[in-house]
Amino acid sequence: EDQVTQSPEALRLQEGESSSLNCSYTVSGLRGLFWYRQDPGKGPEFLFTLYSAGEEKEKERLKATLTKKESFLHITAPKPEDSATYLCAVQAASNTGKLIFGQGTTLQVKP
Amino acid sequence: DTAVSQTPKYLVTQMGNDKSIKCEQNLGHDTMYWYKQDSKKFLKIMFSYNNKELIINETVPNRFSPKSPDKAHLNLHINSLELGDSAVYFCASSHFIGATEKLFFGSGTQLSVL
Repeated sequence: EDQVTQSPEALRLQEGESSSLNCSYTVSGLRGLFWYRQDPGKGPEFLFTLYSAGEEKEKERLKATLTKKESFLHITAPKPEDSATYLCAVQAASNTGKLIFGQGTTLQVKP
Repeated sequence: DTAVSQTPKYLVTQMGNDKSIKCEQNLGHDTMYWYKQDSKKFLKIMFSYNNKELIINETVPNRFSPKSPDKAHLNLHINSLELGDSAVYFCASSHFIGATEKLFFGSGTQLSVL
């Protein structure tokens, strides 16, 4: 069964304290792995898509990496405005159009 | 200009009632979705429509009936509401189905069944 597990569930950082969020997945043929950001009371907002092991993508203080079993979202020198829930999702080659989400990591960055 | 808009934002109702949630996208996308997010933040797909045609129906009780009058609209009607239906429902859209397209989500409808 296709599955996504994110850790930790919650993470508290001081402003400027870099860290990483983990997304472990099992899927029968990965078509793509997605990272979304969700602010309270809002819908998820797309951040990155990764397609194959070894791929990396960056956006401001965020960098996403992918291996055959997991993905990391690295946050460098975070700011309070980076506080949000970060969701990881996979799309299997056999289930076109269907994203399987993890439960998310809620990040709080304190000034 | 809201890309994906859904109404209402909040919906509080009694058990056994019937309610609808409306969704519209102005992005010109062919595919629309309904996702359910439970209290533990898990987002799970319920339905997807591609150009008004039902593509994905994820073992959702038949009390839930999506309707797509055109490719810009996807509404969700729920009959005989139950306590367990309480959740946040998100509408989303993408260019088309069949590729690793990013989803554009609405802001959600928080449904509370009392």
